[in-house]
Amino acid sequence: AQSVAQPEDQVNVAEGNPLTVKCTYSVSGNPYLFWYVQYPNRGLQFLLKYITGDNLVKGSYGFEAEFNKSQTSFHLKKPSALVSDSALYFCAVRKNTGGFKTIFGAGTRLFVKA
Amino acid sequence: GAGVSQSPRYKVAKRGQDVALRCDPISGHVSLFWYQQALGQGPEFLTYFQNEAQLDKSGLPSDRFFAERPEGSVSTLKIQRTQQEDSAVYLCASSLRDKDMNSPLHFGNGTRLTVT
Repeated sequence: AQSVAQPEDQVNVAEGNPLTVKCTYSVSGNPYLFWYVQYPNRGLQFLLKYITGDNLVKGSYGFEAEFNKSQTSFHLKKPSALVSDSALYFCAVRKNTGGFKTIFGAGTRLFVKA
Repeated sequence: GAGVSQSPRYKVAKRGQDVALRCDPISGHVSLFWYQQALGQGPEFLTYFQNEAQLDKSGLPSDRFFAERPEGSVSTLKIQRTQQEDSAVYLCASSLRDKDMNSPLHFGNGTRLTVT
């Protein structure tokens, strides 16, 4: 069975500082991994994905994520946070065989303070 | 281009009523998904269509929940005899169907269902 854990309900960071939002996953076989962002009263928006290859993936709005197979982690990072980055972030996993079912974590709320 | 469209945006139902939630996916997107998002939680998978075929309905919580996509485009999620625990935001997403299965999901803004 697939599962995703986001151990932090909330992350607080000052504007201009680097941010990290943590994600660990469990899936049989090789995963596809995704990050999505949700702004208030809006649907989820795709940020970036890991398929294979380079462990550092770059995505939208300056975000990047680091895949670590041995730690089964896929942490979201940004070198310099903006107040406008404040939102709810979801990590998701999909098996690369056997179907399109995508499982989401519970989400991490990011607050960036000016 | 147009994104995924869901209607209604908000729905209030009395306990025991039936409701129908509509999803218009992005044109050309073969795959369509329904998720349930309770307050403060992540989206929980309900069901998945490829064209008109419902390939996975393992997440539907009970036989009161039913989804269809008869012509492979618009989809309807129906909930019969609604209960208070059905109160949630119902999200629809669509995706290209590619052979490598790594296309991201494109979500609508959701339908917020409140059962009183």
